[in-house]
Amino acid sequence: AQSVTQLDSQVPVFEEAPVELRCNYSSSVSVYLFWYVQYPNQGLQLLLKYLSGSTLVESINGFEAEFNKSQTSFHLRKPSVHISDTAEYFCAVSAQGGSEKLVFGKGTKLTVNP
Amino acid sequence: NAGVTQTPKFQVLKTGQSMTLQCAQDMNHEYMSWYRQDPGMGLRLIHYSVGAGITDQGEVPNGYNVSRSTTEDFPLRLLSAAPSQTSVYFCASTSPDSVSYNEQFFGPGTRLTVL
Repeated sequence: AQSVTQLDSQVPVFEEAPVELRCNYSSSVSVYLFWYVQYPNQGLQLLLKYLSGSTLVESINGFEAEFNKSQTSFHLRKPSVHISDTAEYFCAVSAQGGSEKLVFGKGTKLTVNP
Repeated sequence: NAGVTQTPKFQVLKTGQSMTLQCAQDMNHEYMSWYRQDPGMGLRLIHYSVGAGITDQGEVPNGYNVSRSTTEDFPLRLLSAAPSQTSVYFCASTSPDSVSYNEQFFGPGTRLTVL
């Protein structure tokens, strides 16, 4: 079975500051890793995913995440945040070959203040 | 493509009432899932299906039933609603092919309140 720990439930930052949202996972098998974003009163959208290959993955809006197998981590970073990045971010994991099950962390609420 | 659609968007029930949350997808995905989202709990898997006629329980299945008679539809039934089932419900679908891998596509959600 897989599990995900998001270490911070809330992260407040000022606009244009850098941010890191932390995610650690546990699994006895190889995994796929995902970050989803949920804007207020909306559904979940995929932000980025790690399947294989390069351990650094990027999204189109400036976020990046690095898969670290030895640390079992998949932290999400952005060098300069905008007000519009205010949302809840969920880290998720699924076992390779077991795509019907996605295990989520409890989420991190990112609030970007002016 | 409409993607994953859910109806209704909002619903208020009284304790003991029954209802069905509808979910449909037009991407020909084999796998479909139901999650509930509660504050501070993330998303928890209720039931899932790996194809028509095949369903299985997730992390929090009690109080819910599902069936999968077609690839497109995956309804979630509450037989006797309880206040503990007040939540936001998300349906998702995916396919293990080389395009989607394990990316789950989510519907817009149904906000359910049980009084």
